[in-house]
Amino acid sequence: QVRLQESGPGLVEPSQTLSLTCTVSGGSISIGGYFWSWVRQHPGKGLEWIGYIYYSGTTHYNPSLRSRLSMSVDTSENQFSLKLNSVTAADTAVYYCARVLSTADFDYWGQGTLVTVSS
Amino acid sequence: QSALTQPPSASGSPGQSVTISCTGTSNDVGSYNYVSWYQQHPDKAPKLIIYEVNKRPSGVPDRFSGSKSGNTASLTVSGLQAEDEADYYCNSYAGSNNFVVFGGGTKLTVL
Repeated sequence: QVRLQESGPGLVEPSQTLSLTCTVSGGSISIGGYFWSWVRQHPGKGLEWIGYIYYSGTTHYNPSLRSRLSMSVDTSENQFSLKLNSVTAADTAVYYCARVLSTADFDYWGQGTLVTVSS
Repeated sequence: QSALTQPPSASGSPGQSVTISCTGTSNDVGSYNYVSWYQQHPDKAPKLIIYEVNKRPSGVPDRFSGSKSGNTASLTVSGLQAEDEADYYCNSYAGSNNFVVFGGGTKLTVL
């Protein structure tokens, strides 16, 4: 059973960088065949795809976030990470990491972590 | 504003069927058979219930079914049960520029 767990600060100051890590257990991130993704949900709102990364480091980002976004993968730790810079209150959301089955089907999800942008 | 359009709410009585629509464009739903549906209970992570338009992951009851016609995908929940009350989201592959787009979600109420 694949499990994903997000970790990182729950509070980030405006204009700073939001950094989150997703640790995968129950399966190797290096096996291939899957993208690994971040999805966020603003309070009381719908889901927004942030981007995804392959174990090789290939990335695909949401065009609306691309200029502020960076994703990386650490196969030795079975983790992948998200960095979103120049954050504002509009980036306050629950951030989920998820595995992508093929292209847009997210079959395993982390429990989510609330990140609040505030001074 | 979400890329895919869903009705904000839907409802039905126990045992009835309800269908939720998800309307996109020829750039996403209309061009690819990569539409998925998710169920999200309050304060929980979304759960994949339909992928590739009409496939069910292991463990998802066959009361959940998906279909697509043109630019609109649909999720049908048959034999409604109390535990089906949740938010439902669709998403679609949208090509090599936008990749993934979500709908705004539909709150399903079991009366």
